Amino acid sequence: DAGVIQSPRHEVTEMGQEVTLRCKPISGHDYLFWYRQTMMRGLELLIYFNNNVPIDDSGMPEDRFSAKMPNASFSTLKIQPSEPRDSAVYFCASSPQVPHTEQYFGPGTRLTVT
Amino acid sequence: GENVEQHPSTLSVQEGDSAVIKCTYSDSASNYFPWYKQELGKRPQLIIDIRSNVGEKKDQRIAVTLNKTAKHFSLHITETQPEDSAVYFCAASWDQAGTALIFGKGTTLSVSS
Repeated sequence: DAGVIQSPRHEVTEMGQEVTLRCKPISGHDYLFWYRQTMMRGLELLIYFNNNVPIDDSGMPEDRFSAKMPNASFSTLKIQPSEPRDSAVYFCASSPQVPHTEQYFGPGTRLTVT
Repeated sequence: GENVEQHPSTLSVQEGDSAVIKCTYSDSASNYFPWYKQELGKRPQLIIDIRSNVGEKKDQRIAVTLNKTAKHFSLHITETQPEDSAVYFCAASWDQAGTALIFGKGTTLSVSS
């Protein structure tokens, strides 16, 4: 398996633009997580899905952020409009439907908003 | 909600020394405590984990201990090597399934030869 796939790997955009980050989880994994990593705030869970259904989105910072999982092999995280403080590395991770198990992280998307 | 504190934020050791990283958590219902290692520019990867019904777990040079009463857990690395240099994150689950995690802020470990 190729592991968790994220695209793009790098994104530079101007303030106010819409940004869409994409994730393909490991085949057969039922959980999908979106994290944001910054120096100041560390690794923060934004939202997670189980079997394509959002379970908890309390970590989503504002209404500017939205996430979808239309099927078991694809998820998006959208920021509209983007702001400089959204600059961070965004990780997607997936795990199987087994309690207390490893989350497999993707390579991350480094987002820079100017 | 759950909160995880991690100390120290940076740790420098000589090759061959031991390193200890400590974390505390606030929610007594947490039942799963993984540790992730993140090398520079790479993704976090699980190195060891422990469940709440276990007090200690070892895997070669790394070990994790859990004190449920005091709500703290620690990572121990013995005989450190330069390739151990990385950022280490502790985490605690906050849901029944032990699936959703809250992470500590991380410890940057530097091992000099």
